[in-house]
This record gives sequence, C-alpha cells and structure tokens, in this order.
Amino acid sequence: GNSVTQMEGPVTLSEEAFLTINCTYTATGYPSLFWYVQYPGEGLQLLLKATKADDKGSNKGFEATYRKETTSFHLEKGSVQVSDSAVYFCALSENTGGFKTIFGAGTRLFVKA
Amino acid sequence: SQTIHQWPATLVQPVGSPLSLECTVEGTSNPNLYWYRQAAGRGLQLLFYSVGIGQISSEVPQNLSASRPQDRQFILSSKKLLLSDSGFYLCAWSVSFQETQYFGPGTRLLVL
Repeated sequence: GNSVTQMEGPVTLSEEAFLTINCTYTATGYPSLFWYVQYPGEGLQLLLKATKADDKGSNKGFEATYRKETTSFHLEKGSVQVSDSAVYFCALSENTGGFKTIFGAGTRLFVKA
Repeated sequence: SQTIHQWPATLVQPVGSPLSLECTVEGTSNPNLYWYRQAAGRGLQLLFYSVGIGQISSEVPQNLSASRPQDRQFILSSKKLLLSDSGFYLCAWSVSFQETQYFGPGTRLLVL
C-alpha cells in the first residue's frame, strides 16, 4: 500500500542554518506530493506541492523537488528563522478509484535565535 | 475566498458524555470534506471523509460517527466519549481527492 516516511524529529537548528527534512514515499500510481506546516495550536496549512515528476514546489524560501527515481520529496530551506518553528508534514494524494491521501508522522522543527 | 470554520475551539468533556463537533465551509460548492484526529505529538489519523451530502466513508472503526446534513456542513459525533478520544480534531476540505486540503483551526478535546 501507499506510505509516507519522514525523518523523525525534533530537529533543532540555529537561526540562518540550512534545513533539510527528508521524505520518501511509496505509491502505486502517480501521486501529487505536498508539504504542510502546522504552527502551534493551529490547523495545517499547505506550504508547497508538486504534481508530477521533476516538478519543484516552492514557497516562503522552502523548496522540494518531486524525485520519482528516488521516490523522495525532501524539504529544504537555505536559512531558517525562528518563525519557521513548527511541525512539517509530508503527504501524498492519489486518486486511483478511491481516496488515498497519506500523511507522514510529522517532523517538529525548533529554530533557536 | 473560501473559509473553513470549526467549533468549539476547546472542549472538556467527561467520559461517557456525548460529543458534537461542527465544521462548515464557505465560498465553495460540493467540496470533499474530511475529519482527522491528531493525538498529542503524533501525526494525523483520517477518521471520515465525504464526497457529498449523506455520503460518509469511515476509515477507522470506533465509537465516533460523522454526518453531512448539508453540502458545506460536516459533523463529528459520539454517543459516549472514551478517554482515548482526547486529541486535536481537524476538519478539512478539498476540491477533489488529489488536490490540496484546506484545514480548519481545529478543536482540542480533552476527555476526563
């Protein structure tokens, strides 16, 4: 079946450090891939997405590239800020005769000033 | 623009009491609707989804139920709450299954 695997957290970085949060997936077809972010006490919100292989999603300095050959969608940011502290969820969504959206377990990021 | 509302924001209920959480969406028609639960420090668990009025699919058997009495209204219910029902409940909508999901602000439920 489909699955999403994220690196376990928490991840603690200093401000302006480089961020990578790994995400790999398994899917039977050609899913869309997403990164959602959840700030403390709030619901999730879309950070970025990619709908086909080699697409790069980007938003607010974050980037992720849909790599079909490695079944990965790693999230990166060149210089994190304290305000980036949140939980990040990788997800895939596939509609092949039924609803299949899978979320990863989430990775908590702490950014220190 | 579309908005999604959930209420209440916080709820403290005794074990064995009933539950009703409401979610409404504005600014779109015939959305897919979803209920998720997030236990403390954990990922998202899909509970129910709906593709139309009166159409509910359950992902996890449990003492919760869902209803969709109107196109943009989604209700999560329980007749008797368990301690294990505590968590953060999130409602979401999307245009279709493969599209972005838009989440509400969530309801934090504590069962004592």
